[in-house]
Amino acid sequence: SQTIHQWPATLVQPVGSPLSLECTVEGTSNPNLYWYRQAAGRGLQLLFYSVGIGQISSEVPQNLSASRPQDRQFILSSKKLLLSDSGFYLCAWSVLDGSFFGQGTRLTVV
Amino acid sequence: QQPVQSPQAVILREGEDAVINCSSSKALYSVHWYRQKHGEAPVFLMILLKGGEQKGHEKISASFNEKKQQSSLYLTASQLSYSGTYFCGTALNQGGKLIFGQGTELSVKP
Repeated sequence: SQTIHQWPATLVQPVGSPLSLECTVEGTSNPNLYWYRQAAGRGLQLLFYSVGIGQISSEVPQNLSASRPQDRQFILSSKKLLLSDSGFYLCAWSVLDGSFFGQGTRLTVV
Repeated sequence: QQPVQSPQAVILREGEDAVINCSSSKALYSVHWYRQKHGEAPVFLMILLKGGEQKGHEKISASFNEKKQQSSLYLTASQLSYSGTYFCGTALNQGGKLIFGQGTELSVKP
């Protein structure tokens, strides 16, 4: 069956520190992969979108970056976190018959 | 490009019905529906593809009107467990990026 793993579930980081969030997918090949951010009580903002290894589309200019080193691995990074980077980060994948989210990472920048 | 959902919020009594709409100004390839409980990741409900179709999932069903570029989610005989925020995600082409509406908050009261 198809599953998606995202970790960690919660993270508290100081301003200016680096960030690395990882997402892996099992049970499917060549999925479209996404990173979304959700502020409290708000909608899902698309940050990055990937259709294949090394192919990343950035949707929102900011101090975040994404990489896809393997077909089923998607990484979200930052060199220096800002207070405004706090939020609920969600990895998702989609194929022809649907799309699914990981459990999410609740990031608090202090 | 972001789809528009209506209403923004709805309050129901158990057993009542509700309709949530998702409209786009552009021609859509697919519409994905999700339900998100507070503090959790969105859960995939169903996908509808262009060509106009309907799908059912227990007491939750949806339709896609290709002429209007509008999808509707129907919740019948609502249960307390239906409470949450409902999102539609839309893609303009097969394999295209998934963009979400702003969400509809549904509260079912006893």
